[in-house]
Amino acid sequence: EADIYQTPRYLVIGTGKKITLECSQTMGHDKMYWYQQDPGMELHLIHYSYGVNSTEKGDLSSESTVSRIRTEHFPLTLESARPSHTSQYLCASSESLGGYNEQFFGPGTRLTVL
Amino acid sequence: GQSLEQPSEVTAVEGAIVQINCTYQTSGFYGLSWYQQHDGGAPTFLSYNALDGLEETGRFSSFLSRSDSYGYLLLQELQMKDSASYFCAVSGFQKLVFGTGTRLLVSP
Repeated sequence: EADIYQTPRYLVIGTGKKITLECSQTMGHDKMYWYQQDPGMELHLIHYSYGVNSTEKGDLSSESTVSRIRTEHFPLTLESARPSHTSQYLCASSESLGGYNEQFFGPGTRLTVL
Repeated sequence: GQSLEQPSEVTAVEGAIVQINCTYQTSGFYGLSWYQQHDGGAPTFLSYNALDGLEETGRFSSFLSRSDSYGYLLLQELQMKDSASYFCAVSGFQKLVFGTGTRLLVSP
């Protein structure tokens, strides 16, 4: 069973606020990812990490930043939230580097910026 | 670049068989995965094909033709709980690229 957690599950904040979305996994996976998904739409990769102290931008341009100081923890930060950031944010992790790359997803954080 | 195409919606009745197609254009192809996502839920892994042919896992099967850049997910003996969105995803070396998703509606 996948053990990947995200907090908060739901967040409503005002424009201009700084927020951090938390993601932790207990599977010891090296690779972690952040996706953005609007309702009924595809998943867009915004950040990923190969391991500690490694972070890369994904395919979708994002104003968020990430850090990877510990293997199990991959937080995403928005310095100044805007209504355009309203979306669901999904964190995922995987064990392998290439080829077979089953990703385990957290429950997501649904963010609303007013 | 990479692109994947899936039908936006498929409808079927309980007990039926449905096929969800996926065509892709990509570089650095390692394999094709399928994920299921219920409304409000997280995607969950269903299957992975690296080689041409059919992979069967219970009621679900997945097929890949690398020469045609094409794959499909076959769902048999449909149940109401199969109503969900299904995403194909291309495995590159470091990441997945997801398709636009197919919403499957199963009716009684």
